[in-house]
Amino acid sequence: EPEVTQTPSHQVTQMGQEVILRCVPISNHLYFYWYRQILGQKVEFLVSFYNNEISEKSEIFDDQFSVERPDGSNFTLKIRSTKLEDSAMYFCASSEPLPWRMVGYEQYFGPGTRLTVT
Amino acid sequence: LAKTTQPISMDSYEGQEVNITCSHNNIATNDYITWYQQFPSQGPRFIIQGYKTKVTNEVASLFIPADRKSSTLSLPRVSLSDTAVYYCLVGDALANQAGTALIFGKGTTLSVSS
Repeated sequence: EPEVTQTPSHQVTQMGQEVILRCVPISNHLYFYWYRQILGQKVEFLVSFYNNEISEKSEIFDDQFSVERPDGSNFTLKIRSTKLEDSAMYFCASSEPLPWRMVGYEQYFGPGTRLTVT
Repeated sequence: LAKTTQPISMDSYEGQEVNITCSHNNIATNDYITWYQQFPSQGPRFIIQGYKTKVTNEVASLFIPADRKSSTLSLPRVSLSDTAVYYCLVGDALANQAGTALIFGKGTTLSVSS
């Protein structure tokens, strides 16, 4: 069964440093997403990406964050200058293309990258 | 987006049927009801989605009454491995042609004991 993969599984960084979290979505999917989950809290939407551009972003996704699809397989989330409050589990997700099936809520999540900012 | 309300936690024993109810009084005509499951330290996983009446797959059943103001996720004969957080999401599945952001609530933490 195809799956979303993420690297690294755990990243420790110092405050103010830049981090890049990497994801390989399912190969025929065209919609990509990043979510985060602070320990003990709910999963929060960050950004969605389609056709090489951001289609939607939340208030959390400020100028410190950026996303990129540098090649045909990877999807990355960059945090330019990490803060302590960026410590969280970051999940990448992908979903299938249109138009022959409903754009539903079936998104496929990766295992996550645990980011610890010290 | 329709606001959803579900119990914070539920306890069950192995082999029992578990029903988790979600209230969504402000559900709109185009809204679908979707349930996700999240195991500790893993990403959420899609379980089931429906619009009205009953939907069943190999994992669960989803019951939606005619007024659609609530829905019930039914897990038959749970096992220890069904211990997880279950999220009810309601939204217009067709609204955003470039992918739809999932808005998660706090979910229901189901604990299954032997």
